[in-house]
Amino acid sequence: AQSVTQPDIHITVSEGASLELRCNYSYGATPYLFWYVQSPGQGLQLLLKYFSGDTLVQGIKGFEAEFKRSQSSFNLRKPSVHWSDAAEYFCAVGSSNTGKLIFGQGTTLQVKP
Amino acid sequence: NAGVTQTPKFQVLKTGQSMTLQCAQDMNHNSMYWYRQDPGMGLRLIYYSASEGTTDKGEVPNGYNVSRLNKREFSLRLESAAPSQTSVYFCASSVGTGRETQYFGPGTRLLVL
Repeated sequence: AQSVTQPDIHITVSEGASLELRCNYSYGATPYLFWYVQSPGQGLQLLLKYFSGDTLVQGIKGFEAEFKRSQSSFNLRKPSVHWSDAAEYFCAVGSSNTGKLIFGQGTTLQVKP
Repeated sequence: NAGVTQTPKFQVLKTGQSMTLQCAQDMNHNSMYWYRQDPGMGLRLIYYSASEGTTDKGEVPNGYNVSRLNKREFSLRLESAAPSQTSVYFCASSVGTGRETQYFGPGTRLLVL
């Protein structure tokens, strides 16, 4: 069965520091992978997605993610975090047939001044 | 463009009452989805509609019904609300299924007493 695990429920980083949010997935075929961000009281916004090709994917707001098939991972990174990046981040894996998304539990990012 | 809109924003129900959550999109998307978000569980798919005239169950369909009224609108109905249905409900839409990005509405916060 498809599943997504985000091992870190809560992460705190200092403004200007680098960030890595972890995501591990379980999927039988080539996965479609997504990272979404949710600001407090808002809906979800797509940061980036991976379907095939280059395993390093660039997204909005300076985020990038790397697909590693051997590790079943799709970790999200940012070189320098801004206070406005404080939010909840969700990794998701999608079905190629139905478009159904399976979400991870989410990681809450807190940014210290 | 408004994107994906949801009404109401907030609702309080008593156990056993019924209500319908409304969702509309103005992006001419074919596929629409209903999710619920609960703390520590990410988002879980309730029902989806791959195209106008079709609906299918997601991970957690029990206690819910849906109607794809037309291409724009996809409603979620709770026939007899239970406290376990207290949640935040998100509607999403996409051009099609598979690798397409899903665009999310702002959510409806539902409290069942």
